[in-house]
Amino acid sequence: QSVLTQPPSVSGAPGQRVTISCTGSSSNIGAGYDAHWYQQFPGSAPRLIMFGNGSRPSGVPDRFSGSKSATSASLAITGLQPEDEADYYCQSYDMSGAVFGGGTKLTVL
Amino acid sequence: QVHLVQSGAEMRKPGSSVKVSCKASGGSFKMYSVSWVRQAPGQGLEWMGRIMPMVGSTNYAPKYRGRVTVTADTSTTTVSMELNSLGSEDTAVYYCATGYKGFFHSWGQGTLVTVSS
Repeated sequence: QSVLTQPPSVSGAPGQRVTISCTGSSSNIGAGYDAHWYQQFPGSAPRLIMFGNGSRPSGVPDRFSGSKSATSASLAITGLQPEDEADYYCQSYDMSGAVFGGGTKLTVL
Repeated sequence: QVHLVQSGAEMRKPGSSVKVSCKASGGSFKMYSVSWVRQAPGQGLEWMGRIMPMVGSTNYAPKYRGRVTVTADTSTTTVSMELNSLGSEDTAVYYCATGYKGFFHSWGQGTLVTVSS
């Protein structure tokens, strides 16, 4: 059972917009800790795609955006492309250390 | 940007220990924390603990406290993670990652640890 809750899967057609939610609590996101997002392809290490709730590292397309509200965070991907098909994880902190969501598998139809 | 290279795959028997290393290059090693994150087959990411190499201080997830030890050798810019009392549930890919302002910006390639009798 992950500390942060994500939907197991989302899907969308090429060109569409999808959002992935990340629900936390007053102990983590709601306590003021930022939410961050990672993209992971099968057999590869995770890659940071969003930090500080809505900032993108260099090289990440502006089709990716992030937001935070109260005890939750969201990752939005617009103009969906086949290469976006991957697993996505949110991450934050609580008093014990870093916490992750269970991951969301994005399928591009 | 820090580049992290981890040691190779390991196979262990139940009850034994494993030590995985992570060598950093290309950045200011001492500026960041180094965490260990594991991923069981088909499962999500799980944070185990971290070290601040500059001062040697460590923090561990409650689940692993007492069973995991993270150390750093600043002379070789290498961080190691040792996990004791292995069980089959410890079969996973173990990643090291550098942390800054709460997020993990560089990751090692991962080390598969298989625990089987």
